[in-house]
Amino acid sequence: EVQLVQSGAEVKKPGESLKISCKGSGYSFTSYWIGWVRQMPGKGLEWMGIIYPGDSDTRYSPSFQGQVTISADKSISTAYLQWSSLKASDTAMYYCASSRGDYVDYFDYWGQGTLVTVSS
Amino acid sequence: EIVMTQSPATLSVSPGERATLSCRASQSVSSNLAWYQQKPGQAPRLLIYGASTRATGIPARFSGSGSGTEFTLTISSLQSEDFAVYYCQQYNNWPPGGAFGQGTKVEIK
Repeated sequence: EVQLVQSGAEVKKPGESLKISCKGSGYSFTSYWIGWVRQMPGKGLEWMGIIYPGDSDTRYSPSFQGQVTISADKSISTAYLQWSSLKASDTAMYYCASSRGDYVDYFDYWGQGTLVTVSS
Repeated sequence: EIVMTQSPATLSVSPGERATLSCRASQSVSSNLAWYQQKPGQAPRLLIYGASTRATGIPARFSGSGSGTEFTLTISSLQSEDFAVYYCQQYNNWPPGGAFGQGTKVEIK
């Protein structure tokens, strides 16, 4: 059974750094793309970026380029989303999701989400 | 960047009735269109990909149709567990910034 398990909720202050994780199991982690999707409170889904853990090929939506960093450690089947300096506007639920196709494809499995709250 | 527009924003339907949700792309996305269901407090779930192919385990009452710029998700007979928000997503073009529509909330009438 394919599973994506994300790290727990975080409460941070503006300016702090953060790295959240997404651990895959039940499939070949290096063979599927892992994407990140943002959902701000009460809002819709936003495609942020995606990584192919097999070779760390990473693509970012222009809206998120330079704002976040996506990485992966294939030795532990885990993808990451990180911020170097959080803003209040980063408060959102963040989902990781897998894609078996190309870097522009649908997401077939989703993590449970990580709630990030940024507040002074 | 392609813009996906869903309508209506909210759809009020009685249990057992048919629900028809629309998704329009600002330019052709061929059949590279997916539908997701999201219930409160849950992650999205893939329902349909390739515009009309049901994902594994999705009941037959969910069907998708369309190609190019106009797409429809139909729920033939709404069950209580189907009341949720539904999103369409195009995966034909880069950049995917506007990949997802804004969602349609299906609520109990």
